Amino acid sequence: GAGVSQSPSNKVTEKGKDVELRCDPISGHTALYWYRQSLGQGLEFLIYFQGNSAPDKSGLPSDRFSAERTGGSVSTLTIQRTQQEDSAVYLCASSPPGLEVYNEQFFGPGTRLTVL
Amino acid sequence: AQSVTQLDSHVSVSEGTPVLLRCNYSSSYSPSLFWYVQHPNKGLQLLLKYTSAATLVKGINGFEAEFKKSETSFHLTKPSAHMSDAAEYFCVVSPVGGGSYIPTFGRGTSLIVHP
Repeated sequence: GAGVSQSPSNKVTEKGKDVELRCDPISGHTALYWYRQSLGQGLEFLIYFQGNSAPDKSGLPSDRFSAERTGGSVSTLTIQRTQQEDSAVYLCASSPPGLEVYNEQFFGPGTRLTVL
Repeated sequence: AQSVTQLDSHVSVSEGTPVLLRCNYSSSYSPSLFWYVQHPNKGLQLLLKYTSAATLVKGINGFEAEFKKSETSFHLTKPSAHMSDAAEYFCVVSPVGGGSYIPTFGRGTSLIVHP
């Protein structure tokens, strides 16, 4: 079956513009995670969804970052007034129902964001 | 609180020789532990996971890891490296208990395999 997909694969934008990044999780997966991966760094947790609700938004770096999930499926990460330090690869992952702490996360290929 | 330390940012081996990627963790609760692999320009893929069953865990592509509670370690090994193993490897801890579902990723170890 289809894996996690993300779009666009690459996004180049100018400082100050808004961007939207999309994640399509595997069908039936209830948990969805957004991470940011900067060059030479590990994965930085941004936000976690269980269904359409986000019980943990603690990783969002500023109020310029927001995310939503609709229909328990597609999620959109929005970055407003982008800054150069927002340049990174944004990864989405989903997990099936069950105990998330035991569950494998299935990752998408990521969106590479470059802010000029 | 939880944390993960991958002790080497880079590991270089020759094809056919053993691989050892080191990972130490700390967790206030009994953890689940994972190793993921990321090939260039690809998403992360699960290699193996420990979830409180057998302490020696076998994964895909000949990799295995041993959970050692006394040493708070979960090192990844493979008897014989292959060129296709060259990738970035991430150790991950996920706390069982405490109400948090958020895993913590190590910074990654880049495995370089020489012919």
